[in-house]
Amino acid sequence: AIQMTQSPSSLSASVGDRVTITCRASQGIRNELAWYQQKPGKAPKLLISAASSLQSGVPSRFSGGGSGTDFTLTISSLQPEDFATYYCLQDSSYPRTFGQGTKVEIK
Amino acid sequence: EVQLVESGGGLVQPGGSLRLSCAASGFSFSSYWMTLVRQAPGKGLAWVANINEDGFRTNYADSVKGRFTISRDNAKNSLYLQMNSLRAEDTAVYYCARDAGYGNSTHYYDAFDIWGQGTMVTVSA
Repeated sequence: AIQMTQSPSSLSASVGDRVTITCRASQGIRNELAWYQQKPGKAPKLLISAASSLQSGVPSRFSGGGSGTDFTLTISSLQPEDFATYYCLQDSSYPRTFGQGTKVEIK
Repeated sequence: EVQLVESGGGLVQPGGSLRLSCAASGFSFSSYWMTLVRQAPGKGLAWVANINEDGFRTNYADSVKGRFTISRDNAKNSLYLQMNSLRAEDTAVYYCARDAGYGNSTHYYDAFDIWGQGTMVTVSA
């Protein structure tokens, strides 16, 4: 199975900060990666698919990039509602695998 | 309203069985792949299984292969997960999700756009 490694596992940031989360695949997966946001006690929410395609309704401060093995999720100006845990998910092959998550906390 | 509602969770002893259901409404259920994802208490997300539109293609995580069976009944707009030989490590919230994926001749991109509220499964003596 393809292993997905996110970094950092957690970070503290302030409202207005630019935040970047990294996801690395154990083998090349082209652009076959999605990003999800999850808030405590809630189901995940799709943010980005195909590495950089923003889901309808998701604010434009979220962006995704990368291909091959290295990917990023960037929040250009962190807002109070963005404090959550973020997960990458590879859809290049079965079984699908998530990264371990990155928790974004308030500084 | 487009929604997914899970049911069937509960407490079960190790080695026991449980059947989860996910009822869909507000969209054409038979037109979508469906996916199951779980989350152990305090842990991250883990992909469990998926099933294609007509139910003839399924895929499973290695950890559940041979023990869990995903199925669907399009006439009832429902997704099912039959879980047998349950272990303590299967304890988790189980989510069903609609896969509004897209793609071309070379690749299909998953896009889990609608999620249920989750149902808790606890495996304990």
